[in-house]
Amino acid sequence: EAQVTQNPRYLITVTGKKLTVTCSQNMNHEYMSWYRQDPGLGLRQIYYSMNVEVTDKGDVPEGYKVSRKEKRNFPLILESPSPNQTSLYFCASSLVGAVEKLFFGSGTQLSVL
Amino acid sequence: GESVGLHLPTLSVQEGDNSIINCAYSNSASDYFIWYKQESGKGPQFIIDIRSNMDKRQGQRVTVLLNKTVKHLSLQIAATQPGDSAVYFCAENRAGYALNFGKGTSLLVT
Repeated sequence: EAQVTQNPRYLITVTGKKLTVTCSQNMNHEYMSWYRQDPGLGLRQIYYSMNVEVTDKGDVPEGYKVSRKEKRNFPLILESPSPNQTSLYFCASSLVGAVEKLFFGSGTQLSVL
Repeated sequence: GESVGLHLPTLSVQEGDNSIINCAYSNSASDYFIWYKQESGKGPQFIIDIRSNMDKRQGQRVTVLLNKTVKHLSLQIAATQPGDSAVYFCAENRAGYALNFGKGTSLLVT
């Protein structure tokens, strides 16, 4: 089954404790992206990647890092999480020529205390 | 900055009626516009898109209308069903390979 898999589904952590949210897709998509969703603010892009070893900042990249060492994986790293990073995070992927047709994962609800 | 925005945060319709969800955009340079549906507890799901050189596009029970004169986009859902209850997002492409999402309209089918 074609899918984007995020882990974990839920995560509660404390300020300053490094964490990684994993994302993997099995559709051989070149394009991958991370979004955060907050009430009243909709979906905002954090980072995206056009292909292996190519990443670019989105609208709200501060406090986040990403890497794209393999085509299928695109982890989101929070080196020192803060409470304002409490949010619902979505990973998405698509063919590079069809970015309008994003496939989203089921989301990761992160709470930073 | 450039943005997309939905006219109403919530919309309630009766089962069997037609639904119309509206969206305004500001970027005249967008090449295409997209509608996504997000059911509770799930990630957004692509519904339909429309290129900027089109006025109308139809899918299965859905129609998207684009009015470039007033920078307005709408999603029409025919014979709305309970399974259509969800949050609907409009989005536009931006320079490069990114989508700019609106804030979403919650559709409740009663």
